[in-house]
Amino acid sequence: GDSVTQTEGLVTLTEGLPVMLNCTYQTIYSNPFLFWYVQHLNESPRLLLKSFTDNKRTEHQGFHATLHKSSSSFHLQKSSAQLSDSALYYCALSGDTNAYKVIFGKGTHLHVLP
Amino acid sequence: GALVYQYPRRTICKSGTSMRMECQAVGFQATSVAWYRQSPQKTFELIALSTVNSAIKYEQNFTQEKFPISHPNLSFSSMTVLNAYLEDRGLYLCGASLGQSNERLFFGHGTKLSVL
Repeated sequence: GDSVTQTEGLVTLTEGLPVMLNCTYQTIYSNPFLFWYVQHLNESPRLLLKSFTDNKRTEHQGFHATLHKSSSSFHLQKSSAQLSDSALYYCALSGDTNAYKVIFGKGTHLHVLP
Repeated sequence: GALVYQYPRRTICKSGTSMRMECQAVGFQATSVAWYRQSPQKTFELIALSTVNSAIKYEQNFTQEKFPISHPNLSFSSMTVLNAYLEDRGLYLCGASLGQSNERLFFGHGTKLSVL
């Protein structure tokens, strides 16, 4: 079945340094949707980025990701981390013909230090 | 804007009892509602997908007998955890879709279930 693998556990870095959270996926479907959700403490997950188009960069709130179907990847990047970026980040996949089924990765906890 | 409310936010129940949680979509028509569980130290597991006027689809390891869901209209869904035990602890999230595509799920804040 469909699955998502992302950088697990805790990623700690200093404010101002670049952010890269890895995400790879497996799906039998040729046109999957890939998503990044962000969940701040005591809040619900919120959509950060989504993509459907191969090799096209998508950006939002300083974060960007490019879906590469050749490598089944959708890595999340940001050029300069901010303290407010500290949160849980989930990579997610929707590849099912039933449009609303979303499979989540295990999550990456990003902790930005001053 | 589109919002999803879940209640209660937190609840505690005794082992073996049942607990009902509700999900309300505001500002949009929730044609499809996905219920997820985030168990301690785990990611989101899809429990079931409910689409108005269609049968509810349960994922492996989740059954209607354990997690009955009601989705009577485009703004409301509820799910009950029957005979709750320790392994049912976690955050239950409702994700509602605008119904046009899978491009976006709006999540509520979740119902945190503790079982004594």
